[in-house]
Amino acid sequence: ETGVTQSPTHLIKTRGQQVTLRCSSQSGHNTVSWYQQALGQGPQFIFQYYREEENGRGNFPPRFSGLQFPNYSSELNVNALELDDSALYLCASSPWMSSYNEQFFGPGTRLTVL
Amino acid sequence: AQSVTQLGSHVSVSEGALVLLRCNYSSSVPPYLFWYVQYPNQGLQLLLKYTTGATLVKGINGFEAEFKKSETSFHLTKPSAHMSDAAEYFCAVSRSTSGTYKYIFGTGTRLKVLA
Repeated sequence: ETGVTQSPTHLIKTRGQQVTLRCSSQSGHNTVSWYQQALGQGPQFIFQYYREEENGRGNFPPRFSGLQFPNYSSELNVNALELDDSALYLCASSPWMSSYNEQFFGPGTRLTVL
Repeated sequence: AQSVTQLGSHVSVSEGALVLLRCNYSSSVPPYLFWYVQYPNQGLQLLLKYTTGATLVKGINGFEAEFKKSETSFHLTKPSAHMSDAAEYFCAVSRSTSGTYKYIFGTGTRLKVLA
């Protein structure tokens, strides 16, 4: 069973650019959530996708957007990058939506904005 | 609103000593609680979770946690620290809002194990 994978591992962008991060969910998981983890902080919920539809988002501006594909993989897009967007971006998948189900995390993409 | 507080951003213990990492939560409904570990340059790995039932939960790598409703706590313990336990530990509460199921994480505790 393949776990959650993310690409790329590291990324360096400059302010104002756009970036796309990718996530492949664990086999059989139809729910994907994205989190932003700034240095020294706990992960913050960005949004969640369930069966290709956005299923709620946290306190992030619209320039953070996403997609989920029929195979349940997902993308996170960030437009007009700002310095504060520098963080580790974590993708997590779960088999179905439930508060008691654990989420399985990928290794993350480290984004640096210069 | 639900929230999680982890007391102590850094904890140091000697190898073989007891590990105690503190987590307190606030929740208006019975919470689902999780502990995750993050090793350097890696994602989060589940250590254990509390949903319902037995309040003492055993996890991987010898860790356990006890859910105490009266104290709104879910502290993580391990009887004897090992060098490999050095990592960052996150407590999280699972929250459902209008069909969205997300974690609310604490700010983390970095555990250092001294030889």
